Amino acid sequence: DARVTQTPRDKVTEMGQEVTMRCQPILGHNTVFWYRQTMMQGLELLAYFRNRAPLDDSGMPKDRFSAEMPDATLATLKIQPSEPRDSAVYFCASGRQGVLYNEQFFGPGTRLTVL
Amino acid sequence: GQQLNQSPQSMFIQEGEDVSMNCTSSSIFNTWLWYKQDPGEGPVLLIALYKAGELTSNGRLTAQFGITRKDSFLNISASIPSDVGIYFCAGQPPGSQGNLIFGKGTKLSVKP
Repeated sequence: DARVTQTPRDKVTEMGQEVTMRCQPILGHNTVFWYRQTMMQGLELLAYFRNRAPLDDSGMPKDRFSAEMPDATLATLKIQPSEPRDSAVYFCASGRQGVLYNEQFFGPGTRLTVL
Repeated sequence: GQQLNQSPQSMFIQEGEDVSMNCTSSSIFNTWLWYKQDPGEGPVLLIALYKAGELTSNGRLTAQFGITRKDSFLNISASIPSDVGIYFCAGQPPGSQGNLIFGKGTKLSVKP
């Protein structure tokens, strides 16, 4: 049963600290998305990659957020320095994007609390 | 940018009732997806729709891609307690490279 995995599941940190979230997409999926979910804003797209190349990161605060895909099995989202307003649940999703289909499968999320 | 209006925001169900929710937009979409999210988990894909007018079922769930391409609905028949959760619609705008626009969700709860 193929699933997207994310680590850590929960992270509590202090303002100013660096946070790294990791995602392992489903094997064979060529597109990886990072989302942030809050009560106020709902699901917001932060960035996404196709075949490991960044396609769009316009949803991310550029000064403190960065997203990378060092290889096909790992995507990372970093926040440095973290701020209390970054507290949210961060989801990674992967999919096989093509002309005929566009389905995204979500991981369980990383719940981030910045004190 | 494009937005999706999802309604209702919340609803209460009694076991056995049929449930209906929908998403509308002022712009067209190429794909509609419906997800369900349980507390502490990520959204789970329920149904994907790719053609205007398409009607697709998944067990007790039925969803349709509106003819105008600006709306979609999801029906749940004979609801059961495990149907509670938050349901999201998502649409892929024309010209996008795979990114989706999500509705704000419909929260389904059990009637006290």
